[in-house]
Parts: sequence; C-alpha cells; structure tokens
Amino acid sequence: AQSVTQLGSHVSVSEGALVLLRCNYSSSVPPYLFWYVQYPNQGLQLLLKYTSAATLVKGINGFEAEFKKSETSFHLTKPSAHMSDAAEYFCAVSETGNTGKLIFGQGTTLQVKP
Amino acid sequence: NAGVTQTPKFQVLKTGQSMTLQCAQDMNHEYMSWYRQDPGMGLRLIHYSVGAGITDQGEVPNGYNVSRSTTEDFPLRLLSAAPSQTSVYFCASSYAGRGRDEKLFFGSGTQLSVL
Repeated sequence: AQSVTQLGSHVSVSEGALVLLRCNYSSSVPPYLFWYVQYPNQGLQLLLKYTSAATLVKGINGFEAEFKKSETSFHLTKPSAHMSDAAEYFCAVSETGNTGKLIFGQGTTLQVKP
Repeated sequence: NAGVTQTPKFQVLKTGQSMTLQCAQDMNHEYMSWYRQDPGMGLRLIHYSVGAGITDQGEVPNGYNVSRSTTEDFPLRLLSAAPSQTSVYFCASSYAGRGRDEKLFFGSGTQLSVL
C-alpha cells in the first residue's frame, strides 16, 4: 500500500533562508508525486508534480523538488524564503497517476520569521 | 469560470442528523473526490469518482455516501452524523488521462461541526 511521511509538522526559517520540507513515500510501483500548498482558510493549490519525465521538478513561486528513488524521497526546496511562503505544505502520492485518488502526508506548517 | 464550488461553507449538526454537502465543477473534469482534513492527519480520501455513474471508496468511507449522476455534481451524504465527523471537507476535481492537465482543483472547503 502506498503511503507518505512528512518529517516535521512545523518548520521555521528566517526570511531569505533556505526552505527544506521533507517527504518520503512508500509505493510498490513507480509513483506520481505531488506537492500542494494551503494558505489559511483556502483550499489546496498544486506547487509541482513528478511524473517520471525528470527527477528535478520546478514548480511555481520558486519551489522545486527532487525525486530520489534510492532514498524514496521527494523533498521540497526553495533557495530563499519569503514571508508570503508561510503556509501548510502537503506531499501526496498516486500509484496510478489518477489524481482523483491521491494519498496525502500529514502536512508541514512553514513559518517564516522576519 | 467558477471552478469547484462547495456549499455550505459552515454547518453545525446534532449527533444523528443527516445532511448533504454539495460539490459542483464547471470544468468538465472526469475525476471528482471528497477529502476530509483533520489536524495532524493531512487530507484523507473519503470517496472518489472517475466519471458519471462510477464511484469508489477511499481511505475513510464509513458513515458517508456518494453518487455521481452527472459529470458536474458529486454530493457527499452524511447518513447519521457523529462527533468523529467534525472536520473540514474538501471536494476536488481533475482531468483524466495522459497529456492533459492532471492536477487537482480544490473547492474552498466546508467546515462541519457535529455536537
């Protein structure tokens, strides 16, 4: 069965610092992987997705993630945090590519300090 | 273009009451899903549908029913509300098939409290 684990429910960084949000997955087949962001009192928005075309995936707002099969990881990074990046971030997996049936991680709240 | 529309935004129920959360999308998406979001647990899939007349269970289907009579609508029914169903509910939709924009579009959520 597929599953997703996000390490760290809360991450705090200073404005301008590197953002690193960790995601590890479990899947019996090559997975489709996603990162979503949720701003307060809103629904989720897609940041980026991995569908086997390239291991380094660039998304919106300067975020990127690297698929590492040997580590079963799909960590999200951004070189320089901005105050507007404060939100909750979710990693998700699908074994079939069926985006109507995603399995989500527990979420990581990113705090950005001035 | 409204996207995914959920109603109501807020609802308070008493234990044992039934109700339907409405979800409609105007993007002609094949896939539609219902998730519940609880603190520390992320989003968990309740039910999903790959097209009109086709539904299937997700991770946490107990206590919920769905139907998909049209492409646009995917209502979620709580049969007999329980306090454990207090949560924020999200409806989502997406295209199907390779080469199309396979990302989920989410509604703005329904905050449900069961007393």
